[in-house]
Amino acid sequence: EVQLVESGEGLVQPGESLRLSCAASGFMFSTYSMYWVRQAPGKGLEYLSGIGSGGENIHYADSVTGRYTISRDNSKNTLWLQMDRLRVEDMGVYYCARGRDGLLDRWGQGTVVTVSS
Amino acid sequence: EFVLTQSPGTLSLSPGERATLSCRASQSVRSNYLAWYQQKPGQAPRLLIYGASSRATGIPDRFIGSGSGTDFTLTISRLEPEDFAVYYCQQYDNSPRKFGQGTKVEIK
Repeated sequence: EVQLVESGEGLVQPGESLRLSCAASGFMFSTYSMYWVRQAPGKGLEYLSGIGSGGENIHYADSVTGRYTISRDNSKNTLWLQMDRLRVEDMGVYYCARGRDGLLDRWGQGTVVTVSS
Repeated sequence: EFVLTQSPGTLSLSPGERATLSCRASQSVRSNYLAWYQQKPGQAPRLLIYGASSRATGIPDRFIGSGSGTDFTLTISRLEPEDFAVYYCQQYDNSPRKFGQGTKVEIK
């Protein structure tokens, strides 16, 4: 069974950093691209970042470029999102998702990020 | 800037009725790289349709995707109680892979 489990939930102040993790199991992690998607409270889905199966083809939404860094370790079946210089508007549920060419076919249950002073 | 516009924002229907959701792109979506996702309250999104018209694994045939170029439609032929949810379209033609703002299908 495909499983994606996010962790790293936390409450931080504006300007601080947080690192999210996504542990994958039940499929060949190294053959899939991986993605992060955010959902602010009561709002829609916002695509944030993607990384190719081998760690190549990294891209970011304009809203997080220069502040967020996506990475992965295929030997550990793990995806990360390093979030720096967090803003209040970065608050929400963060989902990791599996996919190919940007099509997201399986999603984790999400982890909550709260940014507040 | 590539924009996906979904309409209507909210659709109020009764079980058994037909739902028609629209997704319009600001520029043509190459190779119909357009997907639809369903999200229920408190749950992660679920892939319904990819390639504009192909159903994902396990998706019932009452979910029908159609369209090409800039105009796409998701039709739910007969609404079941479990279909009341928010639906998002997404283009995966180019980066970043943007979503539409969503259509809520609610019980009338």
